[in-house]
Amino acid sequence: QVQLQESGPGLVKPSETLSLTCTVSGGSIKNYYWNWIRQPPGKGLEWIGYIYYSGSANYSPSLKSRVTISVDTPKNQVSLKLSSVTAADTAVYYCARSGRDDALDIWGQGTMVTVSS
Amino acid sequence: QSALTQPASVSGSPGQSITISCTGTSSDVGNYNLVSWYQQHPGKAPKLMIYEVSKRPSGVSNRFSGSKSGNTASLTISGLQAEDEAAYYCCSYVRGSTLLFGGGTKLTVL
Repeated sequence: QVQLQESGPGLVKPSETLSLTCTVSGGSIKNYYWNWIRQPPGKGLEWIGYIYYSGSANYSPSLKSRVTISVDTPKNQVSLKLSSVTAADTAVYYCARSGRDDALDIWGQGTMVTVSS
Repeated sequence: QSALTQPASVSGSPGQSITISCTGTSSDVGNYNLVSWYQQHPGKAPKLMIYEVSKRPSGVSNRFSGSKSGNTASLTISGLQAEDEAAYYCCSYVRGSTLLFGGGTKLTVL
């Protein structure tokens, strides 16, 4: 069964770049979209963006200027970079798989990232 | 791009049915049958419950059903059980190839 695991620093300083990796195990990264979603403490879900295994990406309009999502097919990994972070970027960050039906059918457990000096 | 509109909370007694609405616009819910619903228990990752408005993934109880009318999608849970108490989020494809979540609804089983 396919499993997703997010990893990266749990603490990032304001104005720096948040970098996370999602490792896909138990299946191929091919033929799917790989999404990043975040959830601030006590709040709702926010879609950040996705990348197709071929490298084509699309981002939330509200975050587009600061976000880059990339894919490393041989390593079965997807990466997220969010620049110029502030306290408002403090959240649990999830990666999730979707197909052409846009259904986020498999999720990672999430990783908490705190932005603080 | 504002979140899809969901009620903040709904409640029901065991055995009853409840419906959660999700209102968008003609740029998202109204023009695409790509609405999905997620259940999230505290401290856990969301779980897909409904996709493409009304389809259920394998393993999801048939007590969960979805529908859509105009710009509003709905999730209905019948025969409420204590384990259904959770937050529920809708999500829709948006013109321009992005996704948009609803603000979330907290379901309380009385």
